[in-house]
Amino acid sequence: ETGVTQSPTHLIKTRGQQVTLRCSSQSGHNTVSWYQQALGQGPQFIFQYYREEENGRGNFPPRFSGLQFPNYSSELNVNALELDDSALYLCASSPPGQASLEAFFGQGTRLTVV
Amino acid sequence: AQRVTQPEKLLSVFKGAPVELKCNYSYSGSPELFWYVQYSRQRLQLLLRHISRESIKGFTADLNKGETSFHLKKPFAQEEDSAMYYCALVMNRDDKIIFGKGTRLHILP
Repeated sequence: ETGVTQSPTHLIKTRGQQVTLRCSSQSGHNTVSWYQQALGQGPQFIFQYYREEENGRGNFPPRFSGLQFPNYSSELNVNALELDDSALYLCASSPPGQASLEAFFGQGTRLTVV
Repeated sequence: AQRVTQPEKLLSVFKGAPVELKCNYSYSGSPELFWYVQYSRQRLQLLLRHISRESIKGFTADLNKGETSFHLKKPFAQEEDSAMYYCALVMNRDDKIIFGKGTRLHILP
């Protein structure tokens, strides 16, 4: 059984650019959530995907969007990058019926916007 | 609004001494409370949850609804306990996890 994997591990982008982050969920998990963790802060919920549909969204602007694929892997897209988007982006997957009660996190993607 | 507060950014404790990491929450309903831990260069992982009433690596946490607290305790600290600890709240199983800002626990030799 493989764990949650995210790619890339590190990324540097320029303000105004677009970025796509990827997440492979743990085997058997059908729910994926994305979190943003700024320096010195706890993770903040961006959105959750369940069966390829967005199933809850945090207080993030529409330029943060996502996708979930039939194999339950997921992408996080951020358009028009701003300096404040620099953070660690975490993906978490959960087994059916458990969602946030049993979340397994990836190692994260460190995004730096310059 | 729902919120999780961890008042200490850093807690330094000598090896063998008791540990208590404080966590308070604001939520009018019945939340599920968790402690997550992140060891150096490792991913964020679940340490324990109040519904399981379990002890993991010697840590326990009791939910006090009157004081809206969920403090994490361990009677005798070990050097391998040094890590970042996050208290977290979930309102219902399909909802987001609300994290506190975290407390860095540093065990002194």
